[in-house]
Amino acid sequence: GQQVMQIPQYQHVQEGEDFTTYCNSSTTLSNIQWYKQRPGGHPVFLIQLVKSGEVKKQKRLTFQFGEAKKNSSLHITATQTTDVGTYFCAYTGNQFYFGTGTSLTVIP
Amino acid sequence: GAVVSQHPSRVICKSGTSVKIECRSLDFQATTMFWYRQFPKQSLMLMATSNEGSKATYEQGVEKDKFLINHASLTLSTLTVTSAHPEDSSFYICSALQEAYGYTFGSGTRLTVV
Repeated sequence: GQQVMQIPQYQHVQEGEDFTTYCNSSTTLSNIQWYKQRPGGHPVFLIQLVKSGEVKKQKRLTFQFGEAKKNSSLHITATQTTDVGTYFCAYTGNQFYFGTGTSLTVIP
Repeated sequence: GAVVSQHPSRVICKSGTSVKIECRSLDFQATTMFWYRQFPKQSLMLMATSNEGSKATYEQGVEKDKFLINHASLTLSTLTVTSAHPEDSSFYICSALQEAYGYTFGSGTRLTVV
């Protein structure tokens, strides 16, 4: 069945460094969403991408949807300790599914 | 915005007992809610889709007799873990779709079966 993998699974960065997580699908996605889950918390919606090649920015976060709509990325510029958490991509197939997630640790 | 309330946030129960988790949409009606389970350091896995007024749709490998889902109204879905065992200990979380705000998640329930 459809599967979405995220890489890397874990990432440790020094505060101020950039961070990128990638979401790759074996099939074409109709849309992709990104969520952030803080340790012990619940997923919080960040953004949805729908169009091929779409790029959206939220302050230090840049989201991209691939031309083939099979991959997506989330890039954080100059990470801060508040960026700590697990970032999930999610997609709507027959239901709503999450990718495998990337856990980000920011070292002050 | 869309708010989903989930209760309880934490529960400890004895092996063999049943636990009910409630998920309420506070300021919108949700014809469909989703139930997920998350084991430590893993992704959220969809367990079932709860449909108001009809039977839930379970994902492959999820025992429908063990995880009872009831969606009796447009604002409430419940998940009952029956005859809980230690391996059912997990983080359970619900979500609902509201057109203007996308998918909104409850705050989750951490279940510990002892």
